[in-house]
Amino acid sequence: DVKVTQSSRYLVKRTGEKVFLECVQDMDHENMFWYRQDPGLGLRLIYFSYDVKMKEKGDIPEGYSVSREKKERFSLILESASTNQTSMYLCASSLLSGVTGLGAFFGQGTRLTVV
Amino acid sequence: KNEVEQSPQNLTAQEGEFITINCSYSVGISALHWLQQHPGGGIVSLFMLSSGKKKHGRLIATINIQEKHSSLHITASHPRDSAVYICAVGARNQFYFGTGTSLTVIP
Repeated sequence: DVKVTQSSRYLVKRTGEKVFLECVQDMDHENMFWYRQDPGLGLRLIYFSYDVKMKEKGDIPEGYSVSREKKERFSLILESASTNQTSMYLCASSLLSGVTGLGAFFGQGTRLTVV
Repeated sequence: KNEVEQSPQNLTAQEGEFITINCSYSVGISALHWLQQHPGGGIVSLFMLSSGKKKHGRLIATINIQEKHSSLHITASHPRDSAVYICAVGARNQFYFGTGTSLTVIP
């Protein structure tokens, strides 16, 4: 069974902490994505990666960074967590570069609360 | 400007009703997804379409590429269908999402 696994379902962190959200896929997908979901705004793209060590900024990259050292793992990093980063974070992966949407899978989401 | 528009935003139905959720998009796509999100956040991909029509149980998804429009239909709706349904399109090496349709099915 194919899987995109996010390391945590729920996280509570303090303002100023460095936060790591991990996403692992076991389908050998090239593309991986990080989104955040907020009421009334839907899903917004933070960063995506189409290959190991490659990354591209999405619509709202400020306050975030990413790491993709291995093909199966895409990490989202909050360098210094702030309360406005309280949100649901969703990871996704897809099969082929340039043909996004084929064989796309989503993680279960991580609900992050920054206090 | 949102590349993907969904309607309605909220929908309440009686159990057994036929439900339709619509999605229009403005970009050239490689595929369109219908996603289901239950309370608690987990997202499940229901359908991936690039043309025509797909059916899975009581769910039917259609897409008209020329009109850039897709519909998700639920026949004989049930309270367990209550969820947020999200339309997503794959285009230009990324996804674009609608803001979702919140469906409540009342027994």
